[in-house]
Amino acid sequence: QQQVKQSPQSLIVQKGGISIINCAYENTAFDYFPWYQQFPGKGPALLIAIRPDVSEKKEGRFTISFNKSAKQFSLHIMDSQPGDSATYFCAASKAAGNKLTFGGGTRVLVKP
Amino acid sequence: DTEVTQTPKHLVMGMTNKKSLKCEQHMGHRAMYWYKQKAKKPPELMFVYSYEKLSINESVPSRFSPECPNSSLLNLHLHALQPEDSALYLCASSQAVARTDTQYFGPGTRLTVL
Repeated sequence: QQQVKQSPQSLIVQKGGISIINCAYENTAFDYFPWYQQFPGKGPALLIAIRPDVSEKKEGRFTISFNKSAKQFSLHIMDSQPGDSATYFCAASKAAGNKLTFGGGTRVLVKP
Repeated sequence: DTEVTQTPKHLVMGMTNKKSLKCEQHMGHRAMYWYKQKAKKPPELMFVYSYEKLSINESVPSRFSPECPNSSLLNLHLHALQPEDSALYLCASSQAVARTDTQYFGPGTRLTVL
């Protein structure tokens, strides 16, 4: 049972464009939603995270939008750069145990 | 310093071998994790240690045996593995097990079982 669904699976964007990745979750007990970025040969690294009492959070070129009623959240990468080419995972966790449930991942390729 | 180190980087083993993966962090974190990641898939949680005690075992087969000798070290002992166990094994650590505690991942050990 996939509790966090992520789309698209892959994305190609031109340099300077906007990359948009969407996630939907089922379990209403989830209350913390981080995004991780993973480069080939590396472990995932936290990019940005949001809690459901906030509808939007921005850090530099990265913005999370959160829609609690729709149980959806998305990552926007503004002014995408070739160095942003990586796999992005959304995730969700509940109150106890810090157990992350990951989405399936999106491979982003930014063309120069 | 937010570094989690893992050794070895690569490991090839036969199905009858016994080997161990090692993970180390010096951030004073009290929670440590093992994940398994297959190609083009998300990480899957295997084990969680909190204050050096095993707190979560995600029904992992007994051929994987975790060990937390101290708060900085985490080992994963491997025995009688199957070819389908070939994957990237990631270690992570966090300050504690609160849901907002960022998990810091190591680079992983690429395991191949022949």
